[in-house]
Amino acid sequence: GAVVSQHPSRVICKSGTSVKIECRSLDFQATTMFWYRQFPKQSLMLMATSNEGSKATYEQGVEKDKFLINHASLTLSTLTVTSAHPEDSSFYICSARDPRLAGGPDTQYFGPGTRLTVL
Amino acid sequence: DAKTTQPTSMDCAEGRAANLPCNHSTISGNEYVYWYRQIHSQGPQYIIHGLKNNETNEMASLIITEDRKSSTLILPHATLRDTAVYYCIVREFTGGGNKLTFGTGTQLKVEL
Repeated sequence: GAVVSQHPSRVICKSGTSVKIECRSLDFQATTMFWYRQFPKQSLMLMATSNEGSKATYEQGVEKDKFLINHASLTLSTLTVTSAHPEDSSFYICSARDPRLAGGPDTQYFGPGTRLTVL
Repeated sequence: DAKTTQPTSMDCAEGRAANLPCNHSTISGNEYVYWYRQIHSQGPQYIIHGLKNNETNEMASLIITEDRKSSTLILPHATLRDTAVYYCIVREFTGGGNKLTFGTGTQLKVEL
């Protein structure tokens, strides 16, 4: 149980284009999903928190108009990197929580990550 | 959330126990200790969490000192597949979906 998937696993795009990353909870309903970014040899940095049916809460320094987050259902959240540039190249990871799962209400289950490369 | 301090790296022989320490001297009474690990180029994986008592599951054991200022994650029989960065995180158990703040973690290298 507690499986979170991401799609695509890897994407290469040209500068200026937009990229959409999907995050799905496969066997549970995720009331809250989180989006992280991880640069090489660095730790995970939280970008935003989204609750199903409401607007995402962005961390300080994260541009909400550049990183569009949609959490329209209890099993799907999407992150769209708009007008991507080389500095947006990173490893994007989502996580999901469901308070009914074992591990405790605050346990987050992570997806496998999406490697974004912007040329 | 309380800050944690972990060694940057550790080595362990395969088959031996891996003991990963974590200091959290400013932890407050309602903060839990969580452990996650991240294998290279993968998403983090939940391992275990606890408040006061020692905890054990199929993956690991968590030993929390009586004053709760430090803890140790124990992998009883480390394998090569346990090579990963291990993150110790302390945070309040509010049930409100609060965020996890990842530090730099400990790079555990399990060798033959």
